[in-house]
Amino acid sequence: AQSVTQLDSQVPVFEEAPVELRCNYSSSVSVYLFWYVQYPNQGLQLLLKYLSGSTLVKGINGFEAEFNKSQTSFHLRKPSVHISDTAEYFCAVSDINTGKLIFGQGTTLQVKP
Amino acid sequence: DGGITQSPKYLFRKEGQNVTLSCEQNLNHDAMYWYRQDPGQGLRLIYYSQIVNDFQKGDIAEGYSVSREKKESFPLTVTSAQKNPTAFYLCASSMGQGFYHTEAFFGQGTRLTVV
Repeated sequence: AQSVTQLDSQVPVFEEAPVELRCNYSSSVSVYLFWYVQYPNQGLQLLLKYLSGSTLVKGINGFEAEFNKSQTSFHLRKPSVHISDTAEYFCAVSDINTGKLIFGQGTTLQVKP
Repeated sequence: DGGITQSPKYLFRKEGQNVTLSCEQNLNHDAMYWYRQDPGQGLRLIYYSQIVNDFQKGDIAEGYSVSREKKESFPLTVTSAQKNPTAFYLCASSMGQGFYHTEAFFGQGTRLTVV
């Protein structure tokens, strides 16, 4: 069965520093990949998605992610974070064999002044 | 405005009672999902539905039931059989055809507390 692993549960970083949140998925077949952000007591908001085409995907709020098929990874990056980026981030994969949308455990990004 | 609406935002239930969480979308999406979120465990799939009058169990369906009588509605019932129902529940919907679904849109969630 398809699964998603976010390698870090918490990532502390200082403001204006770069950050990378790591995500690996299990299947080698075609998948669609997503990163979502969740602020406290709210639903999830889409940051970016990979469906096909260029492996470097740009999203909202200055985030980008790179799809690496050989390593089955989809890491999220931002060159300079802000205090307002403090939130929980979820990687997800759409399994085209079942129609399920499967999420990782989440990574809490803590941006410090 | 198009979107997905969950109600109520907060819900309290006594042990042994069933309770139904509402989820409505006006995005004309075929697929709808229910997730449960607990601290440190991410989102776990309870049930999902690709089309009207059809739904499948997710990873933690025990103690829950759903219906999909209309395209725009996907209510979740938390039954008394659910051993630990206190959690944050998220409903989502997505566009696509068959199993090829693109981004999912989420509601604002319902926080259920058993008292």
